[in-house]
Amino acid sequence: AQRVTQPEKLLSVFKGAPVELKCNYSYSGSPELFWYVQYSRQRLQLLLRHISRESIKGFTADLNKGETSFHLKKPFAQEEDSAMYYCALSGWYSGAGSYQLTFGKGTKLSVIP
Amino acid sequence: KAGVTQTPRYLIKTRGQQVTLSCSPISGHRSVSWYQQTPGQGLQFLFEYFSETQRNKGNFPGRFSGRQFSNSRSEMNVSTLELGDSALYLCASSPKAEYEQYFGPGTRLTVT
Repeated sequence: AQRVTQPEKLLSVFKGAPVELKCNYSYSGSPELFWYVQYSRQRLQLLLRHISRESIKGFTADLNKGETSFHLKKPFAQEEDSAMYYCALSGWYSGAGSYQLTFGKGTKLSVIP
Repeated sequence: KAGVTQTPRYLIKTRGQQVTLSCSPISGHRSVSWYQQTPGQGLQFLFEYFSETQRNKGNFPGRFSGRQFSNSRSEMNVSTLELGDSALYLCASSPKAEYEQYFGPGTRLTVT
């Protein structure tokens, strides 16, 4: 079974401070990992995926297979970064013959001015 | 391209009733997935359809069902509603399930 754990429900940081949102996963195969973000009153949207190795809005995330982690980082938090962040894993279900996206429970990031 | 749309946006139903939610995916996307979002459980996978076939199903009772039409539009049905079914139901589309998913705004279902 695949599982995604985000240990922090709420993370508060001051503007300009570094941010790290933690994500750990459990999956027997080679995972496809994502970070999704939900700003207030907006729909859930993709922030980044590990395979593209992009930096979006200053955020980066590195897949560490040894620690089974995919932490999201930003060196300097901005007020507009305040949102709900979800880590997600896309894994193959052989029984279903399909991929399934499993989400962590999310971390609410609050950036204090 | 137009985004994923869901109708209705809000619903209030009574315990025991049934409800049908609709999702129109992004043009060209053949995979449609449904999720239930609640404050306590977060985002939970309901099921995924691809080319009118349900390929995967989450751990929900049989009261939750769905279907997909030839134009990739999808509907989700919940029968014999319970208070615990109150949630935001999200639909997401993708060219294939393993690619990034694009989410709709959700349907807020309240069961009284």
